[in-house]
Amino acid sequence: SQQGEEDPQALSIQEGENATMNCSYKTSINNLQWYRQNSGRGLVHLILIRSNEREKHSGRLRVTLDTSKKSSSLLITASRAADTASYFCATDGDMRFGAGTRLTVKP
Amino acid sequence: GAVVSQHPSWVICKSGTSVKIECRSLDFQATTMFWYRQFPKQSLMLMATSNEGSKATYEQGVEKDKFLINHASLTLSTLTVTSAHPEDSSFYICSATVGSYNEQFFGPGTRLTVL
Repeated sequence: SQQGEEDPQALSIQEGENATMNCSYKTSINNLQWYRQNSGRGLVHLILIRSNEREKHSGRLRVTLDTSKKSSSLLITASRAADTASYFCATDGDMRFGAGTRLTVKP
Repeated sequence: GAVVSQHPSWVICKSGTSVKIECRSLDFQATTMFWYRQFPKQSLMLMATSNEGSKATYEQGVEKDKFLINHASLTLSTLTVTSAHPEDSSFYICSATVGSYNEQFFGPGTRLTVL
């Protein structure tokens, strides 16, 4: 079974809107990482949040972590068509992936 | 961030032949590398965990005699698909972890097509 499970599986929004996707995991972690994958390409590392951090920002990305609920969220603000991709989370110690969230940003 | 490369980026081969895919960490030493397979419109499936100097740990259902993994140095791991068949056609991706927080970086992937 996967350690990280993303939700929703698919998300379609208009350019300029914000996109929020969630990740749940099962066991204790030291850190959680979010990745983006464009169709047919490798994964791009977006952001790493440590277990003692609650929120982290990088450009238009905002990641939160709630270790009590074993969940994380990724917020993309002011989305662009170029943000269209699949997004995955993964935790340290277990490199298995969930199905990901397929984000479509319509121009 | 750390850079991981893969070679080749794509390969087409005949059924029954063997194909070797290389995964290199370019600017860091990777004690542990991971191999994934991804079918169209599906998520990455972890195939095996590769540790330098030791035998790889394969996930359940992955044939270790079919997918040979060698991690001879801290910067290179290879995956050999032996006696490839059309159903082995897939996107193969490697990754490596670095640093005390096990930050994971991925290669660009290798697309294998078996005719």
